[in-house]
Amino acid sequence: DAGITQSPRHKVTETGTPVTLRCHQTENHRYMYWYRQDPGHGLRLIHYSYGVKDTDKGEVSDGYSVSRSKTEDFLLTLESATSSQTSVYFCAISESGTGGFSDGYTFGSGTRLTVV
Amino acid sequence: GESVGLHLPTLSVQEGDNSIINCAYSNSASDYFIWYKQESGKGPQFIIDIRSNMDKRQGQRVTVLLNKTVKHLSLQIAATQPGDSAVYFCAENPPNDYKLSFGAGTTVTVRA
Repeated sequence: DAGITQSPRHKVTETGTPVTLRCHQTENHRYMYWYRQDPGHGLRLIHYSYGVKDTDKGEVSDGYSVSRSKTEDFLLTLESATSSQTSVYFCAISESGTGGFSDGYTFGSGTRLTVV
Repeated sequence: GESVGLHLPTLSVQEGDNSIINCAYSNSASDYFIWYKQESGKGPQFIIDIRSNMDKRQGQRVTVLLNKTVKHLSLQIAATQPGDSAVYFCAENPPNDYKLSFGAGTTVTVRA
């Protein structure tokens, strides 16, 4: 999607290795989010950020850490990848965070991660 | 039109018919709701939203209805087209919260 880029788009990694996914935005939005999407579970929030160096946990944060050293980049790290972390990961950005009328979130195209 | 009951994951609809997708939300305090469309291999895309002080909002070929009494949200798509085939998610946002919570999604398949 315009203004938000995720990298890599696909990755295969081995169990026990660290993995970092990157989300980059050009919209200067304050809020950034990492979700994972699994069949039957919809989108579940991993971590989010409400400003540079300001982050908080979501509902499925165990095994993940994040960093936001500048407005445009939000990194998601799997400390030691496990097979249960095989998933599609989406980054989202928001100007207002609480939604605001007709704001919602803008999502990236996703990163498909496979842990073998 | 065709509709799916709450929590059913799939909906098959004839091209040209109206579609109704239902969603039950969990937090009675939520005051902002959004419908997203996700096509295969892509991220979710914003369709339409509604605030809790409204019961209905219309967009281009789509209408969202909100029933706060039973915590129910629905998305109506008029004259469904093949390009409407996708997974549709509802999302809710409680007040003073930076986060959206998403439902499990409904897969809509349009029959030619």
